[in-house]
Amino acid sequence: QSALTQPASVSGSPGQSITISCTGTSSDVGGYNYVSWYQQHPGKAPKLMIYDVSNRPSGVSNRFSGSKSGNTASLTISGLQAEDEADYYCSSYTSSSDVVFGGGTKLTVL
Amino acid sequence: QMQLVQSGPEVKKPGTSVKVSCKASGFTFTSSAVQWVRQARGQRLEWIGWIVVGSGNTNYAQKFQERVTITRDMSTSTAYMELSSLRSEDTAVYYCAADIAAAGTCDYWGQGTLVTVSS
Repeated sequence: QSALTQPASVSGSPGQSITISCTGTSSDVGGYNYVSWYQQHPGKAPKLMIYDVSNRPSGVSNRFSGSKSGNTASLTISGLQAEDEADYYCSSYTSSSDVVFGGGTKLTVL
Repeated sequence: QMQLVQSGPEVKKPGTSVKVSCKASGFTFTSSAVQWVRQARGQRLEWIGWIVVGSGNTNYAQKFQERVTITRDMSTSTAYMELSSLRSEDTAVYYCAADIAAAGTCDYWGQGTLVTVSS
């Protein structure tokens, strides 16, 4: 199973919005509404930010939102803050009953 | 609150096996799944496999199919991941994660276990 495709890096200034894409195939992202997004700060375990494409777990800021169109899912962070600087990973359930992760995106807050 | 506590760091020789434990609390272990994910230094998250706790059904990434075994002990709310025939490329932090709806989402993560493979 190949990794989902994410941009290696994105950046934005405080207060701005950024979007991270996650491209798969019809066997994963496009075929199921089981796309998740994780935030990982250096040296820490990942944290779930979005599940089932667009749902936020309790306690996650509403500045984080998710969507999907075809084989591409997206994570949008609005009102960028310094503490949002981290690595972000998408994942998807697949037709093989597997889970596949994206390559990760490093978000820099300028 | 929901918590996953993993066993401590391990140093192993090539060709040997390692078994990492993951003790769950704060949620209904028997109705969840447990995912296992690893991350080499500076690299992406890599899915290893999962177990549906109630049924014991497992599914493994093809890459690890021949070398990994995931089990669980419902009496102690603990999941285990054993990786055999270790090689230097297996050096990584290994995470367990609770998948509450057994739908491929890692809702809560353990703290990670560093496994170092070195001769």
